[in-house]
Amino acid sequence: GEDVEQSLFLSVREGDSSVINCTYTDSSSTYLYWYKQEPGAGLQLLTYIFSNMDMKQDQRLTVLLNKKDKHLSLRIADTQTGDSAIYFCAESTMMNSGGYQKVTFGIGTKLQVIP
Amino acid sequence: DADVTQTPRNRITKTGKRIMLECSQTKGHDRMYWYRQDPGLGLRLIYYSFDVKDINKGEISDGYSVSRQAQAKFSLSLESAIPNQTALYFCATSGVTSVLTDTQYFGPGTRLTVL
Repeated sequence: GEDVEQSLFLSVREGDSSVINCTYTDSSSTYLYWYKQEPGAGLQLLTYIFSNMDMKQDQRLTVLLNKKDKHLSLRIADTQTGDSAIYFCAESTMMNSGGYQKVTFGIGTKLQVIP
Repeated sequence: DADVTQTPRNRITKTGKRIMLECSQTKGHDRMYWYRQDPGLGLRLIYYSFDVKDINKGEISDGYSVSRQAQAKFSLSLESAIPNQTALYFCATSGVTSVLTDTQYFGPGTRLTVL
């Protein structure tokens, strides 16, 4: 079945780069996502990568996908205190019926940015 | 995401009470979801609905029921609340109008406490 794993906690200094890692088990994933959850708020879609891509860059965010190792990472350059949040990795997998994409979430990595 | 709203935002209730959580969306999406979030467990899917006439159980549906009153409204009920249903509940939507089919967009969440 689908499983997504990520570490629980990451602490970085302001201005440094943050790298949040994620591993997944389903090789038939279609999309992989990173969501950000700020305190008291819902999940906000941060970025995504299609499974046939290796890398995607969006301003300070870089997503790397190693499909062979089923490893996804999110790099945040020049990390700011406003980046402090929980980051969820998620994969979507096409189900057998109805064209439904099942999304499986990791447990979330809490990023603490130290001023 | 302001396009997905949830009411109430916070609720404290007692064991055995019936509780309804409501979700509305203006994104025009056909698919809606209910998740619960618990510390250390990430997000778990309770129910999902492809359209008004289609309701499906997720991985943890026991003790919950749902109603899809209209394309834009999806409510979650706890028929007889118990303390281990204390959690943060999220509604999400997705649909073919998304840039990415089935990318899920989340509401702000409802924090439910069962005493």
